[in-house]
Amino acid sequence: DIQMTQSPSSLSASVGDRVTITCRASQTISSYLNWYQQKPGKAPKLLIYGASILLSGVPSRFSGSESGTDFTLTISSLQPEDFATYYCQQTYSAVTFGGGTKVEIK
Amino acid sequence: QVQLVQSGAEVKKPGASVKISCRASGYMFTGFYIHWVRQAPGQGLEWMGLIHPNSGDTNYAQRFQGRVTMTRDTSFTTAYMELSRLESDDTAIYFCARVSTGYDAFDFWGQGTMVTVSS
Repeated sequence: DIQMTQSPSSLSASVGDRVTITCRASQTISSYLNWYQQKPGKAPKLLIYGASILLSGVPSRFSGSESGTDFTLTISSLQPEDFATYYCQQTYSAVTFGGGTKVEIK
Repeated sequence: QVQLVQSGAEVKKPGASVKISCRASGYMFTGFYIHWVRQAPGQGLEWMGLIHPNSGDTNYAQRFQGRVTMTRDTSFTTAYMELSRLESDDTAIYFCARVSTGYDAFDFWGQGTMVTVSS
């Protein structure tokens, strides 16, 4: 099974900060890496698929990148509505989620 | 618009089974895989398996093999997930999700169904 190691598990940041979340795959997954945002009591929402493709309607402050088996989600300027938990997901072989990153208000 | 509407909360005793439904609307039901994901209280997301609504083909996560059954009824554009031999660790919110064509990402999700397993 492919393991996804996501870091950090939590972070505190202020509005306007640049935030970076990382996921590392245990083996190659090509670009089959997706990012989701989840708010309490709600289903996850897709933000980015294919490692770097922004879903239509998602603000451009969100971006994704990849380098080998390392993947990064960046929020360029954190907004109040961005405080949430973020998950990476690989769909290259079956499906595995990262452990999540909770973004909290500093 | 695309919608996945799940059945309501369930309370079950250990050893029982639960069957959750996921009714799809707003798109061609038989054209997109449906996956099931669960989330224990305060925990992360765990993939359970998938079904292709057209063929009925399934693929289950290894840890649920033998205990989960995913089915569908194309007449009612509804997918079902049944989990048997419930334990307290199965207490979780269960989500269905549709897979888009882009890198198999889950583009639409149901609202979730809370299953509580308690004696």
